[in-house]
Amino acid sequence: GQNIDQPTEMTATEGAIVQINCTYQTSGFNGLFWYQQHAGEAPTFLSYNVLDGLEEKGRFSSFLSRSKGYSYLLLKELQMKDSASYLCAVVDSNYQLIWGAGTKLIIKP
Amino acid sequence: IAGITQAPTSQILAAGRRMTLRCTQDMRHNAMYWYRQDLGLGLRLIHYSNTAGTTGKGEVPDGYSVSRANTDDFPLTLASAVPSQTSVYFCASSSGDAEYNEQFFGPGTRLTVL
Repeated sequence: GQNIDQPTEMTATEGAIVQINCTYQTSGFNGLFWYQQHAGEAPTFLSYNVLDGLEEKGRFSSFLSRSKGYSYLLLKELQMKDSASYLCAVVDSNYQLIWGAGTKLIIKP
Repeated sequence: IAGITQAPTSQILAAGRRMTLRCTQDMRHNAMYWYRQDLGLGLRLIHYSNTAGTTGKGEVPDGYSVSRANTDDFPLTLASAVPSQTSVYFCASSSGDAEYNEQFFGPGTRLTVL
């Protein structure tokens, strides 16, 4: 079967750095997305990785290791507005997105 | 309109009633999707359409039907609603380019079936 694992919830302090991990076992791999979802809102795109390595975009970076079936999202200089759920999604062999359950990130002042 | 719109925003429905959730996009995207999101389970694909005139079943299609008469609209119908269909429903679209399949989401419909 297909499986994507993320921690259910994480807590971090404003101004700090947090790393949200995602491990996956899917039928094929054609890319990995990270989305942000604020409570009561729709998911919005954060990053996309298809090759191994680190993709940096401002305060957010995403890393991929295809051999390990592993990705992480790194958030730097945390702000209160970063309190949200972060969803990991893998593009499988049929080019469908397989979604993790999401990680709820709580930022404390 | 810009992006994807969904209607209604929320709805309370009696069990056994028929309900259609509407979804419209103006990005000329080929592919469209319907998901349900339940606490702790993440997004689950109900039905999808890779292009106008075609539809496919996702992970949880039972009790739902869709149609794709044109590029812009992708309605989701619950023929006879049951309480287990209480959920938040998101419609999404993508260009359909297999090389890069970023999905754009509508604001969601919160459905309660009593």
